Order: sequence, then C-alpha cells, then structure tokens
Amino acid sequence: AQKITQTQPGMFVQEKEAVTLDCTYDTSDPSYGLFWYKQPSSGEMIFLIYQGSYDQQNATEGRYSLNFQKARKSANLVISASQLGDSAMYFCAMRMYNTDKLIFGTGTRLQVFP
Amino acid sequence: DGGITQSPKYLFRKEGQNVTLSCEQNLNHDAMYWYRQDPGQGLRLIYYSQIVNDFQKGDIAEGYSVSREKKESFPLTVTSAQKNPTAFYLCASRMRQDRGLNQPQHFGDGTRLSIL
Repeated sequence: AQKITQTQPGMFVQEKEAVTLDCTYDTSDPSYGLFWYKQPSSGEMIFLIYQGSYDQQNATEGRYSLNFQKARKSANLVISASQLGDSAMYFCAMRMYNTDKLIFGTGTRLQVFP
Repeated sequence: DGGITQSPKYLFRKEGQNVTLSCEQNLNHDAMYWYRQDPGQGLRLIYYSQIVNDFQKGDIAEGYSVSREKKESFPLTVTSAQKNPTAFYLCASRMRQDRGLNQPQHFGDGTRLSIL
C-alpha cells in the first residue's frame, strides 16, 4: 500500500538558516508525483513544490528545493534562508498516476526563531 | 480573484443534527475534494468528484454525503451518523488528471466543526 512517512513531528531553526524536512514514501508504482504543502496556523494549505518520479532534476521554487533520492524513496524539502513567516506545519503528499487521490503524511511543525 | 471559498469558517452541530459545509470554486477546475483533519494528523480523504453529477468515496466516507450538481460547487453534509464530527474540514480542487500528474490540488481556508 502507498504511504508517506514524516518522522519529524517538530523542528526548530534560526532565522536565515537552512532547514531540511524529511519525507519518505512507499509505492511500487513507477509513475507518481510528490508534493509539499505549508499549513500556517490559520489553516489553509498552500502548495509549495512538486517533483515527478521521472524528473531528472531536483525541483526548486524560490527558497524551496526538493532533495529527491528515488532509490531511497525520499523527497526531503529544503528551505533556505528561513524567515519567521515560515513557521507552520509542512505536509508531504503523493499521488499515483492512475488515481486522483493525494496521500498525506502526518506533517512536521517548523518553528523559526529570531 | 480566483479561488476556493469555504463557508462557514466555524460551525457548531447539535446532537442528531445534519449540517452542510459549503465549498465553491471559480478556478474552472474539474475535480473537487473534501478532507478531514484531526489535531496532529494529516489529511484524510472523505469524498471526491472528478466531473459534475459523479463522485466517489474516499477513505472515511461513512457518516458523510456530498453532491455535485454544478462544476463550481461541492457541498459536504455531515450527518447524524457521523459520531465524531469534531474536526477541521478542507475542500480542494484541481484540473483533471489527464492534464498532468503535476497539477496540484488547491485548497480553501477550511471550516472548523464542533459539537455543542
């Protein structure tokens, strides 16, 4: 069965430092997509970045990059130059090509301190 | 601005009462979804709809019902059969699957439902 695992319930980082949020996934399907979302305390889910299973390059979007290691089935999110506004819950999610369902991990709470 | 509107933001339900959560989108998205989020947990799929007048059960559909009479609207009814409805409910929408695996789901701001 497909599964997403986020083993870090909470992370702390100092402002302007980089932080890595871990995500491992389990699927036997060769075609899938991996997504990261940010959920501030207000509740909305904000899409951050996407990585396809066939993509050769790691995805990047501004200060966000995805460290995709296919053989290890990991898709870690790297946030560079952390800002106080980055404090939020972060969720990793996966979708297989032949379904329309997103499978979410349990999330990591990131707190950025001055 | 295009987006997804959920209402109300907060909702209280009495015992034995059905309540309906509204979700409207003006993104011209084909697929819509309802998720439930409990404290400290990820999102779990309740129902989803890929086209008008059609919808499928997700992982936790018991005690919930939906309709999809219009492309823009996907209301969720929490029935009295749902014995533990207190949670945060999120609605999402997306371009259809055949337009690419990389199309993300876009979310509304959520409705927080509590039992009185």
